[in-house]
Amino acid sequence: QQQVKQSPQSLIVQKGGISIINCAYENTAFDYFPWYQQFPGKGPALLIAIRPDVSEKKEGRFTISFNNSAKQFSLHIMDSQPGDSATYFCAARDNQGGKLIFGQGTELSVKP
Amino acid sequence: DTAVSQTPKYLVTQMGNDKSIKCEQNLGHDTMYWYKQDSKKFLKIMFSYNNKELIINETVPNRFSPKSPDKAHLNLHINSLELGDSAVYFCASSQGSVWANVLTFGAGSRLTVL
Repeated sequence: QQQVKQSPQSLIVQKGGISIINCAYENTAFDYFPWYQQFPGKGPALLIAIRPDVSEKKEGRFTISFNNSAKQFSLHIMDSQPGDSATYFCAARDNQGGKLIFGQGTELSVKP
Repeated sequence: DTAVSQTPKYLVTQMGNDKSIKCEQNLGHDTMYWYKQDSKKFLKIMFSYNNKELIINETVPNRFSPKSPDKAHLNLHINSLELGDSAVYFCASSQGSVWANVLTFGAGSRLTVL
């Protein structure tokens, strides 16, 4: 049972473009929504995170938009760079037990 | 000065064998985790320990047995390996309980069962 659905599975963006990755969830017991970035051969690393009482959070070129009523959140990468090429995972923390549940991942490729 | 280190990085073995993966963190964190990443890159939690106490135990075959000798170490032993066990296994740690916000992952241990 996939509680966090992520799309697209893969994304190709030109350098300087905007990368957009979307996630949707059903469980209303989620209370924290982080995004992790994973480079090949490495473990995931926290990129940016948001709580459900905030609609948007921006850190540099990375922005999370959060819609609690629609149970959707998205990651926007502005001015995408080849160094952003990685797999991105959205996640949601279950406040019933503290587990972090990951989306399926999006493989981003930024072409020079 | 690696924060979360796992050994071995690569493990190739035959079906039916028993193998172990070791994990150590030098961050002073209280909670450690094992995640499994399958061939489609899907990440799923397997176990979590807080101060050597098992906190999360997902629906994982009992061939998998975690052991935490102290809060800086969490090992994973797998008995009677099967083809479907082939995956990348990630160790992670966090400060505080499982409610902690930031997980620090190791670089992963790629297990291939032939």
